[in-house]
Amino acid sequence: DAKTTQPPSMDCAEGRAANLPCNHSTISGNEYVYWYRQIHSQGPQYIIHGLKNNETNEMASLIITEDRKSSTLILPHATLRDTAVYYCIVSSIQGAQKLVFGQGTRLTINP
Amino acid sequence: NAGVTQTPKFRILKIGQSMTLQCTQDMNHNYMYWYRQDPGMGLKLIYYSVGAGITDKGEVPNGYNVSRSTTEDFPLRLELAAPSQTSVYFCASNPSNSPLPFYGYTFGSGTRLTVV
Repeated sequence: DAKTTQPPSMDCAEGRAANLPCNHSTISGNEYVYWYRQIHSQGPQYIIHGLKNNETNEMASLIITEDRKSSTLILPHATLRDTAVYYCIVSSIQGAQKLVFGQGTRLTINP
Repeated sequence: NAGVTQTPKFRILKIGQSMTLQCTQDMNHNYMYWYRQDPGMGLKLIYYSVGAGITDKGEVPNGYNVSRSTTEDFPLRLELAAPSQTSVYFCASNPSNSPLPFYGYTFGSGTRLTVV
């Protein structure tokens, strides 16, 4: 599976959009980009995923560059409850669909 | 719908003791996984299963064993506990190739294990 690079930490003001970048320059054609988050010491929570088109759901938007080498997770109106570690993962939807977690980005939402 | 249930939530083991971490899911998911998370680190895959009777090693399988006799259950066995196995253990399931929409992995709430 391709590896990802994320900034170790970011801050964002409450109510503003939080934009979390991720580099995945070695991504393969059949690999999806997944985003999960982990609030405090809970189990990770799925946020969104995409292959090459931009995606949006009730939690967030995912913007994938045309060459698929990087992506950005957007939380449109961040709240204090969005403070968490965010993981960007690339994985094939074929086979066992194993997820390889890196260190993630610790996002702190400030009041 | 309980999702993924892990027991126990906390456990303290002495070096050399054995224990089984239980994981049950009620979503009829084919794929199940065990991860461990050390302080300040990301999750590392221990073992996974793509269906009853089928298991395989992940990144860090040494010191652990698994079995998958039913779709619902995926227990993780520690035979001879060592301090290096002090960690938080997460079980997860995945609907695999079920029809869309795809909701990703569902994780349990974790088991916090300390080996002393």
